[in-house]
Amino acid sequence: DAKTTQPNSMESNEEEPVHLPCNHSTISGTDYIHWYRQLPSQGPEYVIHGLTSNVNNRMASLAIAEDRKSSTLILHRATLRDAAVYYCTGASYGKLTFGQGTILTVHP
Amino acid sequence: DGGITQSPKYLFRKEGQNVTLSCEQNLNHDAMYWYRQDPGQGLRLIYYSQIVNDFQKGDIAEGYSVSREKKESFPLTVTSAQKNPTAFYLCASSNRASNTEAFFGQGTRLTVV
Repeated sequence: DAKTTQPNSMESNEEEPVHLPCNHSTISGTDYIHWYRQLPSQGPEYVIHGLTSNVNNRMASLAIAEDRKSSTLILHRATLRDAAVYYCTGASYGKLTFGQGTILTVHP
Repeated sequence: DGGITQSPKYLFRKEGQNVTLSCEQNLNHDAMYWYRQDPGQGLRLIYYSQIVNDFQKGDIAEGYSVSREKKESFPLTVTSAQKNPTAFYLCASSNRASNTEAFFGQGTRLTVV
């Protein structure tokens, strides 16, 4: 299983971009990198996933390092609703393994 | 609406009693998962099932049991053998492939007194 390491917390101002890093040096060649976010007392919500190439969707962008040992989730313009715990996970045959996550605080 | 439903949202039990948490999905997903979350911590995998009538232990399976008799249902029993059962329990489902997203329920907060 891929073990992930993320900073405990990060802060941003509203309307500014946010770059959330994740190290996953033990990820295997076929494991996808997924990102989820969680609000207090709720289930996690899917954000984005990728394998090797950078990915974009309506919520965020995912930049994956060439050696796949790290990735960065990019929120292009943070809003107050983006304040949450962000989890980077490795997905092996659909099984997700979560780390401790990063608490993102967004200041108005 | 399609989704994954956990019930109840809050559950209280006396120490020494077994308790079963419900998880139902109508997304036609093959795989289902149970996670435990303690305050300020990440999610830890308890059990997962990739197909009906089959399931595997996760990282913290001791004191828990599951069944997968139907594709849409994956109940979790917290037994009296679980030494510290008070926690937030999350159920998820997905297709078996790693390149698809997982959907999570809203969780069940279990308090054992």
